[in-house]
Amino acid sequence: LAKTTQPISMDSYEGQEVNITCSHNNIATNDYITWYQQFPSQGPRFIIQGYKTKVTNEVASLFIPADRKSSTLSLPRVSLSDTAVYYCLVGVSSGSARQLTFGSGTQLTVLP
Amino acid sequence: GAGVSQSPRYKVAKRGQDVALRCDPISGHVSLFWYQQALGQGPEFLTYFQNEAQLDKSGLPSDRFFAERPEGSVSTLKIQRTQQEDSAVYLCASSPKGKDRDGYTFGSGTRLTVV
Repeated sequence: LAKTTQPISMDSYEGQEVNITCSHNNIATNDYITWYQQFPSQGPRFIIQGYKTKVTNEVASLFIPADRKSSTLSLPRVSLSDTAVYYCLVGVSSGSARQLTFGSGTQLTVLP
Repeated sequence: GAGVSQSPRYKVAKRGQDVALRCDPISGHVSLFWYQQALGQGPEFLTYFQNEAQLDKSGLPSDRFFAERPEGSVSTLKIQRTQQEDSAVYLCASSPKGKDRDGYTFGSGTRLTVV
């Protein structure tokens, strides 16, 4: 399984765009990149998944460069409620179930 | 139900006591996972079911841990002779047909404290 590295913590202010970068130098050809969000006392919540280039949904954007050795989760105009731990995961998404491997995540704190 | 339901929400056990943690997945979801999350850490995989079949139990830390899903819906994680190191949040997740293109849905977990 590809190992991921992301910052331990980040601070931001309300209304700003936040970019969290994850490095995954050993990503395999079949691996997808997935981001989860976790609030205190809750289970992780799926945010976005991508394979290459850019993916956007109603919550976030995911930017993946051509070499796929890193990825950036972009949260537009964050609010206080976006304070959470964000996990970057890398693994196969072939339609069959697979165990998710979480790292320690990035603690994002949004300040007023 | 609308989401993954876990019970109890909190459990305090005396060292050596057996505990049973319950997970009600989203109706119709084929795949069910159990994870253990220690304080300040990311969740760690314990075991995986596809319907009633336990296809992967490689993450179970010892033979004191046992999971079942006899009818392919509700699952129970049982921990025998609990130890202090078993204190953690136990998370259950489910997914339709194993696909994770839209992610897995997690419950809020059971916080187990062994005293």
